[in-house]
Amino acid sequence: DADVTQTPRNRITKTGKRIMLECSQTKGHDRMYWYRQDPGLGLQLIYYSFDVKDINKGEISDGYSVSRQAQAKFSLSLESAIPNQTALYFCATSDIGADTQYFGPGTRLTVL
Amino acid sequence: RKEVEQDPGPFNVPEGATVAFNCTYSNSASQSFFWYRQDCRKEPKLLMSVYSSGNEDGRFTAQLNRASQYISLLIRDSKLSDSATYLCVVNRRSDSSYKLIFGSGTRLLVRP
Repeated sequence: DADVTQTPRNRITKTGKRIMLECSQTKGHDRMYWYRQDPGLGLQLIYYSFDVKDINKGEISDGYSVSRQAQAKFSLSLESAIPNQTALYFCATSDIGADTQYFGPGTRLTVL
Repeated sequence: RKEVEQDPGPFNVPEGATVAFNCTYSNSASQSFFWYRQDCRKEPKLLMSVYSSGNEDGRFTAQLNRASQYISLLIRDSKLSDSATYLCVVNRRSDSSYKLIFGSGTRLLVRP
């Protein structure tokens, strides 16, 4: 089984809808991240969390919110989706003191 | 100017060829360096870390030049399965936080 899972894997929605993307991990890592990837661009950090009570904004947090429900779960919400949020979204985890991040399989989100 | 810059390619090489990618980074506070591999529409996966002394893993060699602020990846005896996008990644630390900064990737196509 995959160590980092994301649901859903694909989602098509309409402008104005609320969407939640979920991430779960079995690696036992404290640190979790949400990124988005657009064609031709590097991954951009949306939010990150170093433990259950810690939430930090990344480079592009506007229009997004997150919830760290448990050490193993980190969800990303789009309160009112807009077309320019169409992208590939990745969740990642890392261990304390380690730089390497491990990515989930991604969620392809299309906002019409 | 982007913090991490890569030639997007594609680099189109025959099987067995040697190919090299370079990546430059702008922030001298960067402390850790990595190459990730990303297959089409899939998650990035760590290929190798890059150490100051240079490091080798089979057909792959990574080097770091801190003075000139660039990182390189050399692939010898290219295989068809090496076809992918290679992401240069830099870990920038400031105060108590740190971030992975991703380049937009260099695409490699290995042809029979």
